[in-house]
Amino acid sequence: AQKVTQAQTEISVVEKEDVTLDCVYETRDTTYYLFWYKQPPSGELVFLIRRNSFDEQNEISGRYSWNFQKSTSSFNFTITASQVVDSAVYFCALRSGGNTGKLIFGQGTTLQVKP
Amino acid sequence: DTEVTQTPKHLVMGMTNKKSLKCEQHMGHRAMYWYKQKAKKPPELMFVYSYEKLSINESVPSRFSPECPNSSLLNLHLHALQPEDSALYLCASSQPGQLSGNTIYFGEGSWLTVV
Repeated sequence: AQKVTQAQTEISVVEKEDVTLDCVYETRDTTYYLFWYKQPPSGELVFLIRRNSFDEQNEISGRYSWNFQKSTSSFNFTITASQVVDSAVYFCALRSGGNTGKLIFGQGTTLQVKP
Repeated sequence: DTEVTQTPKHLVMGMTNKKSLKCEQHMGHRAMYWYKQKAKKPPELMFVYSYEKLSINESVPSRFSPECPNSSLLNLHLHALQPEDSALYLCASSQPGQLSGNTIYFGEGSWLTVV
């Protein structure tokens, strides 16, 4: 079965703090893809990153960084020096052939960054 | 700015009305999707079109009727909806492929209220 778990329902931080959003996934497929999306209050799901199962290299993009560890089936997302504009719901998602390519979402983590 | 555009952004309709949601993408993608998202929940897949043919229907009630007139347009026709159908409806697109790591790009969504 395919499953994505985001254990943190809501996180509240003060601006300039670092924050890590956890994502744990389950799949029996050897080839799969992991994604993070950001959903601000306006509703649009904004694509942030895609990682395939064969590439465990961590990635940094500005204040965003992602830590992919197959050994623990985790794909965590860190925001450094958070800003109020980072306030949103963040979804981790999994896509693999075992589920006809459907995008399996976690329940989402609501991040509130206070000034 | 998103390259998947949805209209209208907000729609209020009565239970006896017939209305349509429209979606257009300009990324040359050949797969298009409708998702439904209730408050504080992740998006749920409704339909997938691949090369303008319906490939997945997630047992959606017949009061929702999708249509894909061409490779860049996707409609969702609504008829005799119930108040519980009130939700954010997200259109998305990607390159097709069953085992696909192709990123799914979402539009801004249409907020639907059924009264």
